[in-house]
Amino acid sequence: AQTVTQSQPEMSVQEAETVTLSCTYDTSENNYYLFWYKQPPSRQMILVIRQEAYKQQNATENRFSVNFQKAAKSFSLKISDSQLGDTAMYFCAFESKVDNDMRFGAGTRLTVKP
Amino acid sequence: DTAVSQTPKYLVTQMGNDKSIKCEQNLGHDTMYWYKQDSKKFLKIMFSYNNKELIINETVPNRFSPKSPDKAHLNLHINSLELGDSAVYFCASSPRAVAGGRNEQFFGPGTRLTVL
Repeated sequence: AQTVTQSQPEMSVQEAETVTLSCTYDTSENNYYLFWYKQPPSRQMILVIRQEAYKQQNATENRFSVNFQKAAKSFSLKISDSQLGDTAMYFCAFESKVDNDMRFGAGTRLTVKP
Repeated sequence: DTAVSQTPKYLVTQMGNDKSIKCEQNLGHDTMYWYKQDSKKFLKIMFSYNNKELIINETVPNRFSPKSPDKAHLNLHINSLELGDSAVYFCASSPRAVAGGRNEQFFGPGTRLTVL
């Protein structure tokens, strides 16, 4: 079974600086999807970014980008120019292309400080 | 040992039927959640219970009714199923009530509901 690990329960960053959240996963599959979700205090989940494993190019969405290292099974999220509104829980997720099984990490709490 | 489990994993049913999805966590957590994931992978929180008490109830049709017989279980009952209810439903648990969205959550494997 696939597992997803977020080794940093909490992180903080100063406003306008850059922060990287780590995520590793375990799978024997070759093609799959990876996601980062954001859950602000409002509690609604927001899909931040997604990556398809067969694509070598790292996905980017405005200030959010990923560093996808397939061989290392690592999928970190980089947030540039951090804003106060980025304060939230961030969840990494893996989805199998074989059976669409989805697994989530336990989350990293990010606090952006003014 | 499975931390957060959901049954069934797949559920295919006809429109108009009533069905339940069960969730159990063996982590000793106080808080449990139900999320709905659509085909575009957007994840929406539906309900949250803290120690058997409802604390989050987002705008969800009242055909959906959560039931928490004890703090280790949070079941989701859906009446009069509609085509639009087709989705993957995830259960999750966390050690304490979410305050400021700070706490880690452990997700179940999901239940894929298909309404025909």
